[in-house]
Amino acid sequence: SQTIHQWPATLVQPVGSPLSLECTVEGTSNPNLYWYRQAAGRGLQLLFYSVGIGQISSEVPQNLSASRPQDRQFILSSKKLLLSDSGFYLCALRTVILSNEQFFGPGTRLTVL
Amino acid sequence: AQSVAQPEDQVNVAEGNPLTVKCTYSVSGNPYLFWYVQYPNRGLQFLLKYITGDNLVKGSYGFEAEFNKSQTSFHLKKPSALVSDSALYFCAVREPGTYKYIFGTGTRLKVLA
Repeated sequence: SQTIHQWPATLVQPVGSPLSLECTVEGTSNPNLYWYRQAAGRGLQLLFYSVGIGQISSEVPQNLSASRPQDRQFILSSKKLLLSDSGFYLCALRTVILSNEQFFGPGTRLTVL
Repeated sequence: AQSVAQPEDQVNVAEGNPLTVKCTYSVSGNPYLFWYVQYPNRGLQFLLKYITGDNLVKGSYGFEAEFNKSQTSFHLKKPSALVSDSALYFCAVREPGTYKYIFGTGTRLKVLA
């Protein structure tokens, strides 16, 4: 079965510092990958999704970017963090085997001070 | 624009009583509908989905949901609530013909002993 690893689990960063969050998956090939942000323990905001290596679709214009250098690796980055970037970041995948539903990773809690 | 609405921020129910968590949607075409559950500081877990076929779908942990096309609703139900069902519940829809998922704002379910 598929597994999603996200690290770090928690992160505290100062405003203006760079960010790199990594998501890696196991047990599946060629998944669709997604980055979501959840603020204040509520709704999910889709940030990016990728249907293949090097293919990134951005949903919300902001100071974040994403990359997919390998089939099972999805990276979320920022050059300069803002206070509003604080939140719970979730990586998710969808595969042909799962058909239509998504499978979520454990998340990274980011606090920007 | 595609959207999902969860009109209740919180639902309280006594243990052993039936529970309903409401969801309505707005999409063009035939919707793919999902329910997920989230426990504190964890990723989302898939509960059930409606793609096509029988309007009543059964999922994990005794949950079920009824698809109502005329009312554009997909309410989550359980005949007898457990204290352990207390969590944050999300309704989601996948845009037909895309890889994108739209999530509701979430409903916090509190089951009282």
